[in-house]
Formats: sequence, structure tokens, C-alpha cells
Amino acid sequence: GAVVSQHPSWVICKSGTSVKIECRSLDFQATTMFWYRQFPKQSLMLMATSNEGSKATYEQGVEKDKFLINHASLTLSTLTVTSAHPEDSSFYICSARDPSREKLFFGSGTQLSVL
Amino acid sequence: EDQVTQSPEALRLQEGESSSLNCSYTVSGLRGLFWYRQDPGKGPEFLFTLYSAGEEKEKERLKATLTKKESFLHITAPKPEDSATYLCAFSLSGGYNKLIFGAGTRLAVHP
Repeated sequence: GAVVSQHPSWVICKSGTSVKIECRSLDFQATTMFWYRQFPKQSLMLMATSNEGSKATYEQGVEKDKFLINHASLTLSTLTVTSAHPEDSSFYICSARDPSREKLFFGSGTQLSVL
Repeated sequence: EDQVTQSPEALRLQEGESSSLNCSYTVSGLRGLFWYRQDPGKGPEFLFTLYSAGEEKEKERLKATLTKKESFLHITAPKPEDSATYLCAFSLSGGYNKLIFGAGTRLAVHP
């Protein structure tokens, strides 16, 4: 079964509103989680690295004030898209590293549509 | 600049028709080359990790190989259920940390 749970699977929101996406590691503690976005027929683009108990590290070109990341516990990281606009519509995917198994597990993704 | 390029962009095969997908890279200090499978609307599913040139790994109809410049994913006698996008990615920092993905190869296997 899934070891990383991502919620919601899809969300539709109005322009200007904020949307929160959750990523949970179900059977391991993840000190590090990663957030990616993916446009149709394109690959995953790393947005940021989420570290438990500290600030996230954002990739070049990603607005940290727009994409708020919180990693308050060892099993939960959240991505909040603030003041969403249609160009933010995309598929967002999280991943979590299980240090005990030396594997990186991905969530099932969240399709965000901003109207 | 570190980068990874996958080819072909799309591949159509008949069931049973073996082929190979390519992932070429120019990365200084490669610490791992990863292959994932992604179905539409889903997150990537881990297939293989390769760490050194000459390494090979197999899983059912799939076999991944690695040289100093590229990696191949060989698909032997594919079935329609093998249809998916296959992604390769590299890690610079060792282990399963920050991964940089290629654009993927969309594979369609027809009966």
C-alpha cells in the first residue's frame, strides 16, 4: 500500500484564494520531504526541499511567499498556494525520504485547477 | 551545467516487441541514477537505482544499465500494462535526496 499519502487528489478553486496540500508519511519518519510540480506532458520540476523544524529551501525561480511550505512534524509537510491564479494550475507531487530503507517515496499527486 | 536528457520522447511498440529507452546525462559528481514509472494522474513509482558504471538491475521485463554517460532501460517482450511514462533522474547529494528528473519517455504498448 501507499507509504506517502497526499491530500487532496484534486482541487478546484477561484482565483485569489489559497489552497493547502498535505503530504504525510504513513509508516516512517521523514525529516526531509520534497515538493514538485508537473505540467502536462512535462517532467517533474523540483520546487522546494522541506526540512522538519526548519525553513524550506526553494529552488531558483520559485516564489517562497507564494508557495508556503510547513514541515511541522516528522510525518507531515504542507504546501499552501497563496492567492492562486490560473497559471498556478498544475499537478503537484510530494515525496518523502525514508532513511531506514534508503528510498524516496512519492505521493499520488494533487491536480490543482484555478478558475 | 548538470542535465539529463531522455529519448525518445514517445515510443509506440507492439506487444512482445522489445526495445530500449535512453537516458543520457552530463553530471559532475553523479551520486545515483534513478528510474521511475509514472501512470497518468499518479505519482512516480520507483523502479531502479544505479550507482556505478557497469551496474545492471532487473525486475520482471525491465532491465536497467548504466555507463559513464548514459543509462538504458531495456523492456523485453512488453505487455500493454507496461504502457506508462518512464522517468530517469539523478541525485548529486547521495542517496535518495533531491532528484533532478528528465522529461520522460511516454511508452505505449499495443496488443
